[in-house]
Amino acid sequence: DTGVSQDPRHKITKRGQNVTFRCDPISEHNRLYWYRQTLGQGPEFLTYFQNEAQLEKSRLLSDRFSAERPKGSFSTLEIQRTEQGDSAMYLCASSLDRVSNSPLHFGNGTRLTVT
Amino acid sequence: AQSVTQLGSHVSVSEGALVLLRCNYSSSVPPYLFWYVQYPNQGLQLLLKYTTGATLVKGINGFEAEFKKSETSFHLTKPSAHMSDAAEYFCAVSAWNTGFQKLVFGTGTRLLVSP
Repeated sequence: DTGVSQDPRHKITKRGQNVTFRCDPISEHNRLYWYRQTLGQGPEFLTYFQNEAQLEKSRLLSDRFSAERPKGSFSTLEIQRTEQGDSAMYLCASSLDRVSNSPLHFGNGTRLTVT
Repeated sequence: AQSVTQLGSHVSVSEGALVLLRCNYSSSVPPYLFWYVQYPNQGLQLLLKYTTGATLVKGINGFEAEFKKSETSFHLTKPSAHMSDAAEYFCAVSAWNTGFQKLVFGTGTRLLVSP
């Protein structure tokens, strides 16, 4: 168990640019989640995958955001035309669905700063 | 819908003193409750969880929490604080019937431990 891995750890971009983050979940975990955490707040749910299927998206996930998990393993989160309000920590988590309500294992996050 | 209120954005204790972090929840269905800890620039680590059964739950690092349905509370305690406990603590709730772990987090409590 190498844990949930996220890349990059930090990203600074100019407003209007596109950015993409990657998440590698724990290998046997088939559930994958994205959360966003702004300064001084708790994480907020963005979206959820079971295997390669994206089963739920939050209203927070505007049209500029897209998440994929093409082979049911790693996932990417892309933000197009970034805005300063997108500055946040983006957290990925994974879990097993064979165990009811098995706990989420979080990665160390990608901190995005939009200038 | 679920929500979590954490009373006190900051709690300061001396090393060796009792730690008490407060969490109240709101849920229209029986809740699953969690406490996570976050160290600077890291992801969240699960401390403990309540799903069903025993209302006093023991977690890692000497922490425990008690589910009190009548008070809609799930306060986190530790008998004796250690310097290494200094971190941000998040209480979270999820509904048992969502089919997946859609956690709703509180805004967090920063625990400061002085020597």
